[in-house]
Amino acid sequence: GQNIDQPTEMTATEGAIVQINCTYQTSGFNGLFWYQQHAGEAPTFLSYNVLDGLEEKGRFSSFLSRSKGYSYLLLKELQMKDSASYLCAVRDSDYKLSFGAGTTVTVRA
Amino acid sequence: ETGVTQTPRHLVMGMTNKKSLKCEQHLGHNAMYWYKQSAKKPLELMFVYSLEERVENNSVPSRFSPECPNSSHLFLHLHTLQPEDSALYLCASSQDEGGGAYEQYFGPGTRLTVT
Repeated sequence: GQNIDQPTEMTATEGAIVQINCTYQTSGFNGLFWYQQHAGEAPTFLSYNVLDGLEEKGRFSSFLSRSKGYSYLLLKELQMKDSASYLCAVRDSDYKLSFGAGTTVTVRA
Repeated sequence: ETGVTQTPRHLVMGMTNKKSLKCEQHLGHNAMYWYKQSAKKPLELMFVYSLEERVENNSVPSRFSPECPNSSHLFLHLHTLQPEDSALYLCASSQDEGGGAYEQYFGPGTRLTVT
């Protein structure tokens, strides 16, 4: 089975930076995804890492260390609209996705 | 809009009812998925269809029955559900070609309440 851990909640101030950590133990590894889900809406794809290192996409960056079973999502210059749940998901050797329970980020003015 | 639509958006049903959830994707993908999302719990993969064949059935009770008539449509038939089946049911699609960053695109979900 898969074990994916991420914090339940985080709070930050508008304009600040927040880092959401994700640790995983899976049977095989074929990439790690981050999704954003606003309340009552569909999860939307944010980033994908399959090799070690940092992937940057505008205000969002995602990092992966396969040897440590660790990833983080970095949100910079936080805006109120970034308040959402952020889901870490790992794809195993059968190309099946397993999700963490999600981290609810609240951005305060 | 992600290109994946689901109907209905909300459904309330009794334990003896039979209902169906519908999902349609307009992205030309070849794989479709059903997930269950309960409060404070990870998304649970229920079923996977690739090229219209079921390739995954994650020990889901038989009161949930999927159907994939073609690559654009996916149904989840529900009968004699239990109150603990109340959850958000999400459909997703992806293009699967054996590798690469083929992310899944999710529909908005059906909020199901079993009374």
